[in-house]
Amino acid sequence: GAVVSQHPSWVICKSGTSVKIECRSLDFQATTMFWYRQFPKQSLMLMATSNEGSKATYEQGVEKDKFLINHASLTLSTLTVTSAHPEDSSFYICSARRALRGGLRDEQYFGPGTRLTVT
Amino acid sequence: GEDVEQSLFLSVREGDSSVINCTYTDSSSTYLYWYKQEPGAGLQLLTYIFSNMDMKQDQRLTVLLNKKDKHLSLRIADTQTGDSAIYFCAETPGSGNTGKLIFGQGTTLQVKP
Repeated sequence: GAVVSQHPSWVICKSGTSVKIECRSLDFQATTMFWYRQFPKQSLMLMATSNEGSKATYEQGVEKDKFLINHASLTLSTLTVTSAHPEDSSFYICSARRALRGGLRDEQYFGPGTRLTVT
Repeated sequence: GEDVEQSLFLSVREGDSSVINCTYTDSSSTYLYWYKQEPGAGLQLLTYIFSNMDMKQDQRLTVLLNKKDKHLSLRIADTQTGDSAIYFCAETPGSGNTGKLIFGQGTTLQVKP
């Protein structure tokens, strides 16, 4: 099956610093990747849609200057949390979209998530 | 707007069937999905159903879709302790192919030995 990795799996940083999270599709090319945020015992909230070679599309209420997304290649998207604060502490999950043959449907494969703790 | 609702918790005994329910609001959703999340991990796609289907069975999993009531259910037969996890239903809103997923709050399934 398709594999999506995230790096790092967990990170602790000091308030005011920036943190970069990588999302890679290991065995397929993903023209679209998605970034989600999940608070404890809550659902996944879509933050942004990342398209290769173009600017990310952010969901309402998500600060684009704070959560910088770069989709530099068909297998890599990065999320940078700039000037992190304790309220940014969360579980960040990416997914990569793979088109299936015949164009009938595509599938999303999720990474294992990155636990960010800002102290 | 787009909204997906699930009950938050379900407890069953090992060997029993589990039924997890979900309601959604977007009648134009093309696909509806069930994902499983184990503690500290990402999401694993369990199964999906196309909106013009009523039922889909995949081994121990049965998905029922009542499009009129916008109600989706996941039945797990012969539930095992390894099935303990959080289960999310999700819809693809609208008829466009954006790939966007709207998730429910997740149902925590607890399987007692």
